[in-house]
Amino acid sequence: GAGVSQSPSNKVTEKGKDVELRCDPISGHTALYWYRQSLGQGLEFLIYFQGNSAPDKSGLPSDRFSAERTGGSVSTLTIQRTQQEDSAVYLCASSARGAVSYNEQFFGPGTRLTVL
Amino acid sequence: QQQVKQSPQSLIVQKGGISIINCAYENTAFDYFPWYQQFPGKGPALLIAIRPDVSEKKEGRFTISFNKSAKQFSLHIMDSQPGDSATYFCAASMRGGADGLTFGKGTHLIIQP
Repeated sequence: GAGVSQSPSNKVTEKGKDVELRCDPISGHTALYWYRQSLGQGLEFLIYFQGNSAPDKSGLPSDRFSAERTGGSVSTLTIQRTQQEDSAVYLCASSARGAVSYNEQFFGPGTRLTVL
Repeated sequence: QQQVKQSPQSLIVQKGGISIINCAYENTAFDYFPWYQQFPGKGPALLIAIRPDVSEKKEGRFTISFNKSAKQFSLHIMDSQPGDSATYFCAASMRGGADGLTFGKGTHLIIQP
């Protein structure tokens, strides 16, 4: 498909376990973003990657959260020692970062994480 | 600190009516203001976006009105249809949308047939 894809679509884990969430951006998009959507906090920015630049980690809620982007394409968001408050839908978005137009972010369907 | 405040939280409009959702922001460095539409189980999808150098932008039945001095912007949906029933989020960003988006809390819109 041509859109942003995320896997798994659903993940159930036990408190204290580590989880990895994957994002495949739209081909050719140089910018990649992670967001979290929960009932209590709404949509929150977590981190973004632009090309080979250092990522903007300003939205990560704690040092249990980390992300990497390999080869400028696929990204993995890792949550260590998961807590129940980490339960949310984790959304990935990508953007072409065009010079002419403003930078529309295209979102994937999300990964629903449930921490028991 | 909530940098983008959105209202109302929920809205019911009759088919054919005008739906209006409002947002206010605090950070004057924001320079990109998109609206996203989200259906259950799906990711948000961009509806329309505006820059602060224009006061209004219209795309089909959707219009953004922007008031820079008041630091407010709003979404108007004309001739609202049942298919417009969804959750709508306003957002703001710096550097033309290159930075992460700061979202409002969302408005759950129901269009009654």
